[in-house]
Amino acid sequence: EPEVTQTPSHQVTQMGQEVILRCVPISNHLYFYWYRQILGQKVEFLVSFYNNEISEKSEIFDDQFSVERPDGSNFTLKIRSTKLEDSAMYFCASRTGLREAQHFGDGTRLSIL
Amino acid sequence: GDSVTQMEGPVTLSEEAFLTINCTYTATGYPSLFWYVQYPGEGLQLLLKATKADDKGSNKGFEATYRKETTSFHLEKGSVQVSDSAVYFCALSVNRFSAGGTSYGKLTFGQGTILTVHP
Repeated sequence: EPEVTQTPSHQVTQMGQEVILRCVPISNHLYFYWYRQILGQKVEFLVSFYNNEISEKSEIFDDQFSVERPDGSNFTLKIRSTKLEDSAMYFCASRTGLREAQHFGDGTRLSIL
Repeated sequence: GDSVTQMEGPVTLSEEAFLTINCTYTATGYPSLFWYVQYPGEGLQLLLKATKADDKGSNKGFEATYRKETTSFHLEKGSVQVSDSAVYFCALSVNRFSAGGTSYGKLTFGQGTILTVHP
C-alpha cells in the first residue's frame, strides 16, 4: 500500500538555525498538510497546500515557516530561525480528495538545542 | 472554532475487556469524523471514519457511530487485545468554501487517549 514518507526521522538543530523537513506524499494525492505535536500535547494543524499554493494556515504558521512543493513529488516545511519551542514531532499528511481521509507519515522528531 | 474533546486517559484494561473511549465535538457546518491510532514509534493511522449522521465506521473490531444529536463519536471494541495498546485520537474535519475563506478539511484533534491492555 502506498505510504507517505518523511525524512529525516529525527533532526537535532541548534537554536537559530534553519531546518527543512521533507515529505513525499502518495503520488496521486492532491491535498497536502503539515501538523505538529509538542510532547504531551494535542496534534495541531499548521498549514494546508493545494494547487501549488497555501490554502489555509494556523496562527502557529508565522513568517518563520514556509512550505514548498518544488518538483511535483516532495513537499517541504522550512523553519527559518528555529526556537526552542519549535521542538516537536512534525507530521506530513496527504489525500486524494476532500471526501477522503488524510494519510500520515511517521513524522520527524525535531529537537532544538 | 471547531473542537474535539476526548475522555481523559490513560485507560488500562485486561485482555478481552470491553473498550469505550468517549469523544464529543463542536463544529460549524457538517464535519466528517475520524479515529486515528498511533502505535509506539509510529505515525498516525486511520482507524475508521464516518462522514454523515448515523453512519457507523468500523475496522479491526472497532466501531464508532456518528451521533449528530449528541455531537458524539464514541469508539468501542467488544474484546481488546494486547496489540491494541496505543494512543487513540478522535478528530474532525470540515470543508468550507465561503467568501470568508476556504478550508480544505484540516483535521482538528482531541488530546488523545492512551490505552494499555494487559494479558
